Amino acid sequence: GDSVTQMEGPVTLSEEAFLTINCTYTATGYPSLFWYVQYPGEGLQLLLKATKADDKGSNKGFEATYRKETTSFHLEKGSVQVSDSAVYFCARRDSGAGSYQLTFGKGTKLSVIP
Amino acid sequence: GAGVSQSPSNKVTEKGKDVELRCDPISGHTALYWYRQSLGQGLEFLIYFQGNSAPDKSGLPSDRFSAERTGGSVSTLTIQRTQQEDSAVYLCASSLGQHSTDTQYFGPGTRLTVL
Repeated sequence: GDSVTQMEGPVTLSEEAFLTINCTYTATGYPSLFWYVQYPGEGLQLLLKATKADDKGSNKGFEATYRKETTSFHLEKGSVQVSDSAVYFCARRDSGAGSYQLTFGKGTKLSVIP
Repeated sequence: GAGVSQSPSNKVTEKGKDVELRCDPISGHTALYWYRQSLGQGLEFLIYFQGNSAPDKSGLPSDRFSAERTGGSVSTLTIQRTQQEDSAVYLCASSLGQHSTDTQYFGPGTRLTVL
């Protein structure tokens, strides 16, 4: 079935390091793609999204580009901070009729150390 | 404005008891979703409501689970005869509409522990 695959965590980085969290998806049609973040003790928050091929979502220094040719939506940040420590979830939502729900990857836990 | 709210934030119950979880979506949002987050299964879709249409119940794991949405706003998820495997965080989300590009906004969740 359709799915979202994220790189396994946990990921530990030093402050100011470069971050990449890989995400690939399988789907028919043209899904919308999302990154959600869950900070410790908090609920899921939308980080960024892209709704069509070649779109780039960006927020808080994070970026992800919708790559249809590689079915990928990798999350990147040039210089992470301790406050970025959280669990990151890649998700997709199909565009077809009757496709309402988000399908999530398993999440990647990021720890940033000073 | 106010986000999605859920109550209670934590619920501890004994196996076999019934529980009710409540969700207040963002005002004006016509679509409402329930998900479950557990260690073993990750984030799973449970049920979807859109306006006054019949809900999509395709994600409910068993007939012990049911949900209703009154007046197109507040929703209640009911789990009857709870089992230990029902222990999880139950998340509610709402979106402005049902288009695939509409962002789903999540509440803080209800942590359910079944002893």
